[in-house]
Amino acid sequence: GAGVSQSPSNKVTEKGKDVELRCDPISGHTALYWYRQSLGQGLEFLIYFQGNSAPDKSGLPSDRFSAERTGGSVSTLTIQRTQQEDSAVYLCASSLGPPGAGYGYTFGSGTRLTVV
Amino acid sequence: AQKVTQAQTEISVVEKEDVTLDCVYETRDTTYYLFWYKQPPSGELVFLIRRNSFDEQNEISGRYSWNFQKSTSSFNFTITASQVVDSAVYFCALRPASGGSYIPTFGRGTSLIVHP
Repeated sequence: GAGVSQSPSNKVTEKGKDVELRCDPISGHTALYWYRQSLGQGLEFLIYFQGNSAPDKSGLPSDRFSAERTGGSVSTLTIQRTQQEDSAVYLCASSLGPPGAGYGYTFGSGTRLTVV
Repeated sequence: AQKVTQAQTEISVVEKEDVTLDCVYETRDTTYYLFWYKQPPSGELVFLIRRNSFDEQNEISGRYSWNFQKSTSSFNFTITASQVVDSAVYFCALRPASGGSYIPTFGRGTSLIVHP
């Protein structure tokens, strides 16, 4: 596609339920990032995928969060047993590799998650 | 460890005024990239500029200009003759150019409001 596509754009879920957020990066982009943006906060790094390498999960806030990237393309961020503090906009970005080349990032529009 | 500080949480100006958004960073890396992104009300982050740490030449693009000063670890962004359409949240980001981690660190963002 022309840009990074995220779905759904909005998700309201009940506390304790699991949610899955999807990111479809730009074709050919080897790097994929998930960030979280809470109200009034900056962008909090969650996880980073680069090609076939093991992902960098150092930003995941708890073991309720996980992500996978299938076939080096589409990524799914899963939040289990959602809590109200998980409410935020989840942003996905992709970048054309290789790492260190300084390519910019293309962001999706985000998924606004509201946990009630 | 990396850190990006955007001390200005919100700036309010009247159309046609010039405005400067501050960005100060901390890093132990000798080579790195600096970025500015714009996040309009629609939510999607829009890439504005990338700067290499070894290139301190200032850049101008239309009404936008960037002042990179390595000596003070600053990468400030100036909008000349601001317009209402410039209203957005602006993020400064830093990423190492080498080493094991290519994860960009974002500042908390500066919300710019341009009044007609």
